Amino acid sequence: AAGVIQSPRHLIKEKRETATLKCYPIPRHDTVYWYQQGPGQDPQFLISFYEKMQSDKGSIPDRFSAQQFSDYHSELNMSSLELGDSALYFCASSPTGGGNTEAFFGQGTRLTVV
Amino acid sequence: GQNIDQPTEMTATEGAIVQINCTYQTSGFNGLFWYQQHAGEAPTFLSYNVLDGLEEKGRFSSFLSRSKGYSYLLLKELQMKDSASYLCAVQTDSWGKLQFGAGTQVVVTP
Repeated sequence: AAGVIQSPRHLIKEKRETATLKCYPIPRHDTVYWYQQGPGQDPQFLISFYEKMQSDKGSIPDRFSAQQFSDYHSELNMSSLELGDSALYFCASSPTGGGNTEAFFGQGTRLTVV
Repeated sequence: GQNIDQPTEMTATEGAIVQINCTYQTSGFNGLFWYQQHAGEAPTFLSYNVLDGLEEKGRFSSFLSRSKGYSYLLLKELQMKDSASYLCAVQTDSWGKLQFGAGTQVVVTP
């Protein structure tokens, strides 16, 4: 069965650079979530989209932005990168708006800021 | 604020049973999820409770009491591959985002 695809799997950037993370949800899933997981931490919700519109917003820095495109894939854009942005970034998708159903997580993008 | 508490670490022997407790105090409740996560990998879904009671799924069972803000995950017939972090997560509204606990690291010993 198709899973959530994230790219790239690993990314190394320097401070103050920009990064773009991509997420391709499971086919026919209309909801996408982004989570950030620092070392030894639990995943923290950043932002979500339902039917290409932002549906919810969590602790996402102003330096980050995201969108969901017409084919339902999503991109997380991160600018002015800081050392503290080094983390695993997970994308998850779910069907039918997300409520009362499990989210399926991608393998994540490991971002290292040096 | 949101508060989801679970033990940091538990150790058990192969073939045994382990129960991971989770208590929560959140601004809303739309269901409680348990995920398994191996280090550096994606969380994988284990179980979901929205009504009080026990949900059984093979070697894994999960229980929910909404009035007590309490859930547990029961892992039976432990195997070495069950060594992982187990995350308790509350879905706080119908938009689906999850508020995670800090995770319980389960160590299975021979």
